[in-house]
Order: sequence, then C-alpha cells, then structure tokens
Amino acid sequence: DGGITQSPKYLFRKEGQNVTLSCEQNLNHDAMYWYRQDPGQGLRLIYYSQIVNDFQKGDIAEGYSVSREKKESFPLTVTSAQKNPTAFYLCASSVPGKGGYTFGSGTRLTVV
Amino acid sequence: GQQVMQIPQYQHVQEGEDFTTYCNSSTTLSNIQWYKQRPGGHPVFLIQLVKSGEVKKQKRLTFQFGEAKKNSSLHITATQTTDVGTYFCAESGGSYIPTFGRGTSLIVHP
Repeated sequence: DGGITQSPKYLFRKEGQNVTLSCEQNLNHDAMYWYRQDPGQGLRLIYYSQIVNDFQKGDIAEGYSVSREKKESFPLTVTSAQKNPTAFYLCASSVPGKGGYTFGSGTRLTVV
Repeated sequence: GQQVMQIPQYQHVQEGEDFTTYCNSSTTLSNIQWYKQRPGGHPVFLIQLVKSGEVKKQKRLTFQFGEAKKNSSLHITATQTTDVGTYFCAESGGSYIPTFGRGTSLIVHP
C-alpha cells in the first residue's frame, strides 16, 4: 500500500544536538511538507518542497533545515538553534491542486 | 495561505447529541478541506469542497461551503465515541500551500 513513513516514532535529544527526522513516501507525490504541532495548537508549516532539489521556508523555518534530493524523501533536521524543539512533527505530501494531503504518523521529539 | 479561523476550540457533547464546527475567513477561499485527527494520531483527509454553496455528506457527517466561499461547517449527527478527535479545516489557495485552522477538539461523553 502507498503511504508516508516517518521515523522514528519517538525521539529524545539532548540540548545542543542536531537531529534528523526521516520522511519517505511512495505515493509519487510531487509536493512534500513538514509541520510542527504543539499541544492544543494547529499545524504550523516549517518547510515545503514542490519539486526535487527545491524547497521553501514556511512560517516557522528558523532552527530547521531540509533537503529534497529524491522525490520520495524529505528529511528534516532540527538544529541546536531551534529554541523550543520539543513537539510533534508531521510530514505530508500531495499532488498540488489535486485533493487533500496525506500525512505520516508523525515523530514526537523531546529535548532532555 | 489565507488565515482561517475555527470555532469552537473545544466541544463536549453527550453521545447521541449533534456537533458542529465552523471555519471562517475574512477573504474568499479557493477551497476548503476537512481533516480528522484522533488522539495520539495524525490528520486524515476527509473531504474537499470547491464550489459555492456546496454540500457533501459522508454517513453522519455533513460538510457545507458557504455561498460567499468565506465559511464552511462540519456537522456530525448523533455523535458516537468513535467521533472523538480534533477536526481541522484547511485552505490551500492558488499556491497549493495549505493553511490550517487551529482545530476543534470533540469530546464525546458516553
């Protein structure tokens, strides 16, 4: 079955360390997105990519970085510059202009 | 994306009661999408509305898009405990970058 796979499901990080969250899709979707969700909050856009080798900053890109070397993969790095990294991170993909967005099951990042 | 305001933030209902969440914008929306996120889960796409005044139904769920395309609603008839979760509206606009409302959390008491 096609879908989006995020790993790991839970991640613990020490302050000052960078960490990379994986997102892989086999839906052949052109566009991929990273969102951050905090308790009781909506979804805030971190980065998005509508084509391979190109990506754009979202509303809260500071302290994060991404790459899009392959259509299927859109990893997110949470750097030590991110002040409050503890959150639920969701990856999504879509065919632009065609219907809804498919989300992965998310990664819960905790800074200890 | 445009700003979409969603109300209420929380809604407690007794099982069997109806539930409605509203999504509003100060400007015309290109489309409106609705998602459901179960506790501890991820958002799942429910439906997209595009046309002015559009109404779509999925079993006990009724989705409406306003005539002016500035608001939308999701109505659940006779809620069940399986309806528990947070319902989000979103609008993708011409850039196809979705903007999500903050969601309405539905709590169903048996």
